[in-house]
Amino acid sequence: AQSVTQLGSHVSVSEGALVLLRCNYSSSVPPYLFWYVQYPNQGLQLLLKYTTGATLVKGINGFEAEFKKSETSFHLTKPSAHMSDAAEYFCAVRRREAAGNKLTFGGGTRVLVKP
Amino acid sequence: DTGVSQDPRHKITKRGQNVTFRCDPISEHNRLYWYRQTLGQGPEFLTYFQNEAQLEKSRLLSDRFSAERPKGSFSTLEIQRTEQGDSAMYLCASSLGQGVGYTFGSGTRLTVV
Repeated sequence: AQSVTQLGSHVSVSEGALVLLRCNYSSSVPPYLFWYVQYPNQGLQLLLKYTTGATLVKGINGFEAEFKKSETSFHLTKPSAHMSDAAEYFCAVRRREAAGNKLTFGGGTRVLVKP
Repeated sequence: DTGVSQDPRHKITKRGQNVTFRCDPISEHNRLYWYRQTLGQGPEFLTYFQNEAQLEKSRLLSDRFSAERPKGSFSTLEIQRTEQGDSAMYLCASSLGQGVGYTFGSGTRLTVV
């Protein structure tokens, strides 16, 4: 069974500083990879995804993530944090060979942005 | 049609009561998913439909839970004899075929007292 690990349940950054959220997956075949953001009492919004091709993926709101097969990682970064980035972030995977479209999520990382 | 709609947004119920939630997906999306998210956790898969057919169910979906999508459009999730452990956010999402990526609704937050 595949799993997703997000290191750090809480991250605190200063406004303007780098945001780095870590995600590692475990599966024998690299899956499809996703990052979602969730604001309080809201559903999840897709930030970016990796399916194939270029391993550096750019998403919305200035976020990007890099797929590193050798490290089984898909870390999310943003060069300069904004107050509006305060939210919870979830990494998710989907098996490439699966007939369904089921996502497996990590436990989430809550980001606090300090002024 | 601007997104996935879920109703109600919040539900408080007494233990032992039955509750039903509704999800209206994006109209052209043929796949519909239900997830459950407890406080401080990531969403967990419950079940999914392709059109009106329920194709996969998680072991999390006990016999007190039932989901339907009778005409391949909206879906309902019913929980019978609710327990305090059912308190969670229930998220619905939809997608077009095997397309990679979902659109999530805002969820229904259930509190069982």
